[in-house]
Amino acid sequence: DTAVSQTPKYLVTQMGNDKSIKCEQNLGHDTMYWYKQDSKKFLKIMFSYNNKELIINETVPNRFSPKSPDKAHLNLHINSLELGDSAVYFCASSQAQGGEQYFGPGTRLTVT
Amino acid sequence: GDSVTQMEGPVTLSEEAFLTINCTYTATGYPSLFWYVQYPGEGLQLLLKATKADDKGSNKGFEATYRKETTSFHLEKGSVQVSDSAVYFCALAPRAAGNKLTFGGGTRVLVKP
Repeated sequence: DTAVSQTPKYLVTQMGNDKSIKCEQNLGHDTMYWYKQDSKKFLKIMFSYNNKELIINETVPNRFSPKSPDKAHLNLHINSLELGDSAVYFCASSQAQGGEQYFGPGTRLTVT
Repeated sequence: GDSVTQMEGPVTLSEEAFLTINCTYTATGYPSLFWYVQYPGEGLQLLLKATKADDKGSNKGFEATYRKETTSFHLEKGSVQVSDSAVYFCALAPRAAGNKLTFGGGTRVLVKP
């Protein structure tokens, strides 16, 4: 009965490859997010979707493309992976007007 | 733009010691304020929150009070345990639509037996 789940938990790949990370929430929330956490634990929002519609895009390179097939899912596709993309990526969800966000367990991406 | 500043760690304490982590913020209007905790190898969990001035959030022995006059939301716990070892993040969310959380840099806390 995990509230926010992500797959895979670990992802190791080579530069130049394309990869996807999936996120699902079973909380009935309207809004979902992707965050990036760097090696120093600094967290920064990347995208936010509300009812499948993009509402926040924080100057992320266009190699990153979020896709929301329905309001319970928000996937992150990354093209032409670079070394600097290595990080932990967290998915989160919340009610549209609420302040509390629920986070997934994270996906550790390592680009070699 | 909005920003959150919290004390840099690591903070190393002995069990049963008093913990304070300072957090100050800059924001337009009156945001909601949060403390999140990240245990080793896990995602973030909401620890406590406050939505208006003078509100006190509390959970698991932790407390923080929303101080509008000093734009602060300091986290305190009277007696820490080894299990409190984690990274703590202060965050704010504006009341406008979009609900974007802005995080501080995180403070690593290590409690030794």
